[in-house]
Amino acid sequence: EAGVAQSPRYKIIEKRQSVAFWCNPISGHATLYWYQQILGQGPKLLIQFQNNGVVDDSQLPKDRFSAERLKGVDSTLKIQPAKLEDSAVYLCASSSGPADEAFFGQGTRLTVV
Amino acid sequence: DQQVKQNSPSLSVQEGRISILNCDYTNSMFDYFLWYKKYPAEGPTFLISISSIKDKNEDGRFTVFLNKSAKHLSLHIVPSQPGDSAVYFCAASANSGYALNFGKGTSLLVTP
Repeated sequence: EAGVAQSPRYKIIEKRQSVAFWCNPISGHATLYWYQQILGQGPKLLIQFQNNGVVDDSQLPKDRFSAERLKGVDSTLKIQPAKLEDSAVYLCASSSGPADEAFFGQGTRLTVV
Repeated sequence: DQQVKQNSPSLSVQEGRISILNCDYTNSMFDYFLWYKKYPAEGPTFLISISSIKDKNEDGRFTVFLNKSAKHLSLHIVPSQPGDSAVYFCAASANSGYALNFGKGTSLLVTP
C-alpha cells in the first residue's frame, strides 16, 4: 500500500514570498490533516478535512495560510506571504476515519530566510 | 497551552533494559491516546494506541498504560533495542472524531 506522498521535500524562500505544498493521501482515506512541526515541538494541527469539507481549521492563521482539498483526494497548503516564524516541517497525514490512527507523509521542510 | 506534556526531552537506556516514556495530559475530554515514533527526516509512524475504556494495551515489546485519574500514560518498551532509538510522541484526541494533540516528544537513545 502506498503511503502519504508529499512534495516538495525541502523549500527555501525569502520572507514575504509565497509557497505551496502538495499532499496525496493514502487511497480511500477520507480524513486528511495538515500539521506544522516547529523544531523542538510536537506537530500542531493546522487544518483537518473530512472528504473535501473542513472539520477544524481553528489553528490555521487564515490571514496568510490557506488549504484546499478538491474532489476529496489531494490537498494543497499555501502560505502567502511567508514569515520567518513559518520555518517548520509541514506534515500531511491521512486516516480512513477521524477516529482512526493517522498515517503521516515524510513532510516538507520549509526554511524562510 | 500545551494539553499533552512530555516532560522528559530525552532518555538513554541500555540495550535489553526497559524504556519507560511518560506523558501527562490536562484535558479530561481526551478519550483516545496514541504513541508515534519518529526517525530523522521521516514522518511520525503509529506505534500503539489505547482508548479510555482500557488501562493497558500490549503489542509485542510495547505496552501502554493509562491512568485516567492521574491523567497520565506511559509507554514501556521491553526489551529495548538499538533500533528503538527515535523520538517518541504522545498524542491524544477528544470525542474520537477530532485531530490529535501532540506532546513535544521524548528522544530515546538505546545504547548497545
